[in-house]
Amino acid sequence: EAEVAQSPRYKITEKSQAVAFWCDPISGHATLYWYRQILGQGPELLVQFQDESVVDDSQLPKDRFSAERLKGVDSTLKIQPAELGDSAMYLCASRQGQYNSPLHFGNGTRLTVT
Amino acid sequence: QKEVEQNSGPLSVPEGAIASLNCTYSDRGSQSFFWYRQYSGKSPELIMFIYSNGDKEDGRFTAQLNKASQYVSLLIRDSQPSDSATYLCAVDFGNEKLTFGTGTRLTIIP
Repeated sequence: EAEVAQSPRYKITEKSQAVAFWCDPISGHATLYWYRQILGQGPELLVQFQDESVVDDSQLPKDRFSAERLKGVDSTLKIQPAELGDSAMYLCASRQGQYNSPLHFGNGTRLTVT
Repeated sequence: QKEVEQNSGPLSVPEGAIASLNCTYSDRGSQSFFWYRQYSGKSPELIMFIYSNGDKEDGRFTAQLNKASQYVSLLIRDSQPSDSATYLCAVDFGNEKLTFGTGTRLTIIP
């Protein structure tokens, strides 16, 4: 079964440093999402792409976070500078259709900021 | 504000019993509803999704949807220790993204 690929699985960085996460969705999935999940909470949407276009980035802290999906396939999420409060699981998901199809999640990147 | 509410638990159920997980949501016009299971340190994995009022069964799992009352539930029959996890309820409010609840932590007691 096709999977969403994410890397790295774990990342430890010092505050004020830059960090980047990569995601490759399931082939043919036009919609890609980045979620952040703080321990003990549910995933919260950071950004949604439809092909290469941003559909929703209203919850993305744009002073430090950026996301791109230049060719409408894989995507990169960047944080610069990282803060202690950014420690969380960063989840990438893709979706084949619209409201009647589920999101498929990658394994996630566990970020620890020290 | 579109919200999804879950009791965070923990919910403890004896092995072999039925586990019942509940979720309420804020928008009567919501389109589709999903249950994900998440083991500690892992990413969410899809269990079931439901769109229409009533019950949907898949093996030991049954999803129940009542749009008039704005709740969706998940029943797990013959609970096994491997079912111990956090269960996330997610709703598509018709905006092509999923809004998640905080999750209910379920523990199956052998």
